[in-house]
Amino acid sequence: QVHLVQSGGEVKKPGASLKVSCQISGYTFTSLGINWVRQAPGQGLEWMGWISAYNGNTNYAQKLQGRVTLTTDTSTNTAYLELRSLIADDAAMYYCATQYQLISYWGQGTLVAVSS
Amino acid sequence: QPVLTQPPSVSRAPGQRVTISCTGNSSNIGAGYDVHWYQQLPGTAPKVVIYGNNNRPSGVPDRFSGSNSGTSASLAITGLQAEDEADYYCQSYDSSLRGWVFGGGTKLTVL
Repeated sequence: QVHLVQSGGEVKKPGASLKVSCQISGYTFTSLGINWVRQAPGQGLEWMGWISAYNGNTNYAQKLQGRVTLTTDTSTNTAYLELRSLIADDAAMYYCATQYQLISYWGQGTLVAVSS
Repeated sequence: QPVLTQPPSVSRAPGQRVTISCTGNSSNIGAGYDVHWYQQLPGTAPKVVIYGNNNRPSGVPDRFSGSNSGTSASLAITGLQAEDEADYYCQSYDSSLRGWVFGGGTKLTVL
């Protein structure tokens, strides 16, 4: 069973940067692609980007290009999401998710508040 | 706007059958990419109820089923129970956007 554990919630000021971690166990980390998805309060799911843990290749949602960076650390089986220049609309629950044998496995979510 | 289109809400009585539609285009569902369905209860992460168009993960009742046709997909739930009341999202892959795409979500109310 693939298991994803995310870092804890954060409160950030507008203009600050955010870094969320996602540690994955239960399968060979470098065989996985990791997606990041966020959900603003009362809203739907929004895909943010994907990274290959094998070679670090990335795809980002166009609306976040230039503000988001996905990375991985294969020594700790951890994926990272960095989001810069935070605005109020970035307040959301952030999820990491991966697919194994077609089934998606999700982290528990990281709640991010953006407030001055 | 979500790439995949779902009805915002549906409601049925316990024991009835409900279908939730998910409409995409030729870059996602119509291109043959798998459709997955998630159930989300308040305050929790999405949970897969259908993966790969019509497969149920272990532990999901056989009351849940999925189907595809052309650029659309559907989730069907039979014998509705109070515990099925939740938000449901469809998800696929889009070759133009090169990433996951979601429906806007459907709130299922079991009357």
